[in-house]
Amino acid sequence: QVQLVQSGAEVKKPGASVKVSCKPSDYFFTTYLIHWVRQAPGQGLEWMGAINPSGGATVYPQKFQGRVTVTRDTSTSTVYMELSSLISDDTAVYYCAREYGATNYFDYWGQGTLVTVSS
Amino acid sequence: QSALTQPHSVSGSPGQSVTISCTGTSSDVGGYNYVSWYQEHPGKAPKLMIYDVSRRPSGVPDRFSGSKSGNTASLTISGLQAEDEADYFCCSYAGSPYVFGTGTKVTVL
Repeated sequence: QVQLVQSGAEVKKPGASVKVSCKPSDYFFTTYLIHWVRQAPGQGLEWMGAINPSGGATVYPQKFQGRVTVTRDTSTSTVYMELSSLISDDTAVYYCAREYGATNYFDYWGQGTLVTVSS
Repeated sequence: QSALTQPHSVSGSPGQSVTISCTGTSSDVGGYNYVSWYQEHPGKAPKLMIYDVSRRPSGVPDRFSGSKSGNTASLTISGLQAEDEADYFCCSYAGSPYVFGTGTKVTVL
């Protein structure tokens, strides 16, 4: 059964960085793109960027360019999302989700990682 | 890129039909046939319900259907069941970024 297993909840201070991991299982790691999406409390979903695990190419929306870095470690079949210069508005549940090729939809999602930014 | 507009909430009795709209622009919903819909129960990961405007993944009941007209996509749940009570989000490809809807809470009365 396909699973995307994410790392546990984090509490960070404003100005710090957070790195969330996503480890897919039960499929060939480089076959699917991995996207990151967040949901702030009481808010909708927001796309943060994506990586092609095969070659490492990434894409980010303008809002997050320079502040979000998505990487992958092929030796451990793990994808990472690092968000820097945290502010309180970054408090949210962060999800990874997979996309097959250029199909433009997300067929499986991780369980979510709560990141709380608080002084 | 602004979020797609969805009604805050819709409700219906068991067995009834409800429709959720998702309004964007010609740069997203109207420009591509890449609208998807996700169901989200509290504390659980989102689940894909519809992709490519109207296609259903394997395992999704056929009471869920999708359509699009112009800049507005719609998700219809026919024969509403108690387990359909959840939040629903639309999503559209917009030429590199993806834009999500504001979310709709479906309540089964």
